[in-house]
Amino acid sequence: GAVVSQHPSWVICKSGTSVKIECRSLDFQATTMFWYRQFPKQSLMLMATSNEGSKATYEQGVEKDKFLINHASLTLSTLTVTSAHPEDSSFYICSATERYRNTIYFGEGSWLTVV
Amino acid sequence: QKEVEQNSGPLSVPEGAIASLNCTYSDRVSQSFFWYRQYSGKSPELIMSIYSNGDKEDGRFTAQLNKASQYVSLLIRDSQPSDSATYLCAVVYGGTSYGKLTFGQGTILTVHP
Repeated sequence: GAVVSQHPSWVICKSGTSVKIECRSLDFQATTMFWYRQFPKQSLMLMATSNEGSKATYEQGVEKDKFLINHASLTLSTLTVTSAHPEDSSFYICSATERYRNTIYFGEGSWLTVV
Repeated sequence: QKEVEQNSGPLSVPEGAIASLNCTYSDRVSQSFFWYRQYSGKSPELIMSIYSNGDKEDGRFTAQLNKASQYVSLLIRDSQPSDSATYLCAVVYGGTSYGKLTFGQGTILTVHP
């Protein structure tokens, strides 16, 4: 079946550095991918909608210059957390919609810890 | 303001009982409704999707949708300890990209032996 893969699953970075998280649809084309963030004991909050070949659409309150999203192909979207700070430590989850079927697939998630 | 509200938890039920989870949403043009289960530290997994009014059953799970009341629920019959998790209600609103989910705050369910 369709799978969405995220990499890395876990990452620890130093404050002030940047970290990139990949979201890849393994066997289907995804014109749209979504990035969510989940803090401990909270629900998933949509950060941005990633559209293949165009700029991402960010939700209100999400800094687009801090959370860079690139969706350069139909199977890959990346989220780069720039100048990371401890408050960016969170569980980041992507999802993808299969192009010709209205089915939503979630990646396994990526734990980011900024020290 | 589009909002999804879930009944406050945590919810604790004995093994074998029925667990009832409720969710209301604020927008009448909502299109699609989902229940996800999330274990601690893991990504959400889909339990059920429902698009039209009425009941939808899948094994021990039954989702109920009432668009007039803007209400969707999930019943879990014969609850098992392995059902212990956080249950998330999610809505795709009309006029948005399909797949753009708005989540409720989640209800923690504990099934005790």
